[in-house]
Amino acid sequence: GAVVSQHPSWVICKSGTSVKIECRSLDFQATTMFWYRQFPKQSLMLMATSNEGSKATYEQGVEKDKFLINHASLTLSTLTVTSAHPEDSSFYICSATDPNSPLHFGNGTRLTVT
Amino acid sequence: SQELEQSPQSLIVQEGKNLTINCTSSKTLYGLYWYKQKYGEGLIFLMMLQKGGEEKSHEKITAKLDEKKQQSSLHITASQPSHAGIYLCGAASGGGADGLTFGKGTHLIIQP
Repeated sequence: GAVVSQHPSWVICKSGTSVKIECRSLDFQATTMFWYRQFPKQSLMLMATSNEGSKATYEQGVEKDKFLINHASLTLSTLTVTSAHPEDSSFYICSATDPNSPLHFGNGTRLTVT
Repeated sequence: SQELEQSPQSLIVQEGKNLTINCTSSKTLYGLYWYKQKYGEGLIFLMMLQKGGEEKSHEKITAKLDEKKQQSSLHITASQPSHAGIYLCGAASGGGADGLTFGKGTHLIIQP
């Protein structure tokens, strides 16, 4: 079946640095990908919708300048957390939509900012 | 690893009728989340259940958690076209939120 690959699965970075997370659809083309964030013991919340070839759509309260999203091809979307701070430590997960099957999720990336 | 089984996989219901979607876990449930998604859109968080016997409602949608059965059910009363979409349950695998395991989703179609 269709698979979404997310990389890295975990990352530790120092405060003030930037981190890039990749989300790839392995055997289908995804014109739309979604990025979610989950804080400990909280629900998965949608951050932004990534559209191939156009600007991402951010949910209310999500800083677009801090969470840069690039969807340069039909199989790759990247999320860059810029100038990361400890409060950005979280679990980030992407999902992609395949016209033939509704939902595919990456395995998530655990970001820890020290 | 924890697995979540949702049933039914798809459901066609006439507008105005009630329906129930079930989510059964292979392991102890530490937290159960229900989401809704429409094609081409992101997940919409519906409810989170954490305690056995807990029941929550949001408009015409009610969800219950049966901790002993490791199961949750989502009930929609007097369904409307706006309820159409994919319903997804997600579960925490442990006491924290170290990633969620999701069911495969239930595709709900509302017939006028």
